[in-house]
Amino acid sequence: NAGVTQTPKFQVLKTGQSMTLQCAQDMNHNSMYWYRQDPGMGLRLIYYSASEGTTDKGEVPNGYNVSRLNKREFSLRLESAAPSQTSVYFCASSEIGGSSYEQYFGPGTRLTVT
Amino acid sequence: GENVEQHPSTLSVQEGDSAVIKCTYSDSASNYFPWYKQELGKRPQLIIDIRSNVGEKKDQRIAVTLNKTAKHFSLHITETQPEDSAVYFCAASQGYGQNFVFGPGTRLSVLP
Repeated sequence: NAGVTQTPKFQVLKTGQSMTLQCAQDMNHNSMYWYRQDPGMGLRLIYYSASEGTTDKGEVPNGYNVSRLNKREFSLRLESAAPSQTSVYFCASSEIGGSSYEQYFGPGTRLTVT
Repeated sequence: GENVEQHPSTLSVQEGDSAVIKCTYSDSASNYFPWYKQELGKRPQLIIDIRSNVGEKKDQRIAVTLNKTAKHFSLHITETQPEDSAVYFCAASQGYGQNFVFGPGTRLSVLP
């Protein structure tokens, strides 16, 4: 089991460029999440998908779009990148396990927008 | 919406001492409270979690307590070891498939 995988690991964009961050999980989880992590700010939820075919906004959705392509894959798109979107992006997935809703995180994508 | 505060932002303890990190939340509908540990350059990993129908949960040296009335929950680490050094995040959620809100994190340093 690879768990949660993310591509790319690193990316540098110029202001105004677009890109898609890819996330896939092989644990047959229903829920998937996209977070950004800035220094000293903790993890902030961008979008989440409770199940295939549904997506909802989190705390900081502006400037992003998501697609739940199928049960395994959940992508995050930046249409017109801005320096304020420089961050580390984590994808996560979860499933109900007893009383736990543990989220399994991917390794992260470090994005720099110049 | 939910707001999660976490204190302290940094904590240094001597090896073998205990460490306590506290979080407060604002939304009384939240019913699931996990704690994640993130080592430098790595992904966050769950260390313990608690549901709102339980007041305390323990797993070896780690325990979490929840006070629903006061809307706060705490992480307790006993007999700290150098490998406990990391950033710890609390979070609150209304349940599976719902919004998750994380606290800003506590950087714990265990000094040998």
